[in-house]
Amino acid sequence: EPEVTQTPSHQVTQMGQEVILRCVPISNHLYFYWYRQILGQKVEFLVSFYNNEISEKSEIFDDQFSVERPDGSNFTLKIRSTKLEDSAMYFCASHPGQNKREGYTFGSGTRLTVV
Amino acid sequence: RKEVEQDPGPFNVPEGATVAFNCTYSNSASQSFFWYRQDCRKEPKLLMSVYSSGNEDGRFTAQLNRASQYISLLIRDSKLSDSATYLCVVAWEYGNKLVFGTGTILRVKS
Repeated sequence: EPEVTQTPSHQVTQMGQEVILRCVPISNHLYFYWYRQILGQKVEFLVSFYNNEISEKSEIFDDQFSVERPDGSNFTLKIRSTKLEDSAMYFCASHPGQNKREGYTFGSGTRLTVV
Repeated sequence: RKEVEQDPGPFNVPEGATVAFNCTYSNSASQSFFWYRQDCRKEPKLLMSVYSSGNEDGRFTAQLNRASQYISLLIRDSKLSDSATYLCVVAWEYGNKLVFGTGTILRVKS
């Protein structure tokens, strides 16, 4: 079964440092997403990406965040200057497209710990 | 009003029991509905999409009531392995962002 791959599985970083979280979506999917889940809280939408540009972003996705699809397979989330409150699980997801009545597939996540 | 509301539980049930979860959503324009399952500190995994006519997948039955903006999930013959958090998830249409409920915790005990 096709899967979404995320690396690293766990990242510890110092406050103020930059981190890049990496994702390889399912190859024939067109829509890509980042979500986060703070421990004990619900899954929250960060950003969606389609046709090489951001299609929607949440209030959480401020200037500290950016996304890129540097090549045909990778999809990255960068946090420029991490804060303690950025500590969370970050999930990448992908979907085949608007006319496809299918569920969204999530990667296994990156646990980000900011110290 | 929250976009997607669920009873957080926990629901503690014995093996073999039937259990039902409910969910309401606030955006009447929503077109896509799902139940996801999440194990502790793992990613959400699709359990089933929810269609207007209702749908069943083995022991799991999902229903949608658009007029009441209400979604349900019924689990029959609960197994120990069903213990997880069940997430009610809504999207405006397929491909748009997902909006998650807080999840309902199910604990199945022997």
